[in-house]
Amino acid sequence: DTAVSQTPKYLVTQMGNDKSIKCEQNLGHDTMYWYKQDSKKFLKIMFSYNNKELIINETVPNRFSPKSPDKAHLNLHINSLELGDSAVYFCASSRTEGPAGELFFGEGSRLTVL
Amino acid sequence: AQSVTQPDIHITVSEGASLELRCNYSYGATPYLFWYVQSPGQGLQLLLKYFSGDTLVQGIKGFEAEFKRSQSSFNLRKPSVHWSDAAEYFCAVGVAAGNKLTFGGGTRVLVKP
Repeated sequence: DTAVSQTPKYLVTQMGNDKSIKCEQNLGHDTMYWYKQDSKKFLKIMFSYNNKELIINETVPNRFSPKSPDKAHLNLHINSLELGDSAVYFCASSRTEGPAGELFFGEGSRLTVL
Repeated sequence: AQSVTQPDIHITVSEGASLELRCNYSYGATPYLFWYVQSPGQGLQLLLKYFSGDTLVQGIKGFEAEFKRSQSSFNLRKPSVHWSDAAEYFCAVGVAAGNKLTFGGGTRVLVKP
């Protein structure tokens, strides 16, 4: 039973389209995250939610909109996709809001924009 | 702002040999330090973490890391690598609030038979 699951695992789409990635965790954690990993494997946080409230919002274009319907789900919607959005997007969750929480990552969603 | 540097992009090691991965951080306060491993096509898994106390930290899969404040380093070691250790390894530093981790650029480890 997967702890942090993301769908879809692969996504190929054209520039200008809108797409969503879904994430669910069954660990009972109250904090969830989206990270972006670029082609050079560099990992950067995009968003963090704690109990459905946005607590971290890095400098991300407003074409990216996270939504947390409940604390077990954090979805990422991307409007007007651009070539530079091609990356692997990782969802993660942790038990607490502080630094001590170990992050549990999903397997990633590889987005390719043509 | 905090930053993490992993000087080695690739390391190739023979199976059974020892491994050391370097990590240097920059952060004004006491850091919270982590090592994660990413196997091909997988998400990241926590190997070990340092918050305080003993500067030599033991982790899973036979890994250990040593925090050296004077050198701002948190190097990862394993005495004898296995072929299954071939993966990408990430060092990360955490801050006091919001559980925001800043990752290094990663080191890819290749294991020769």
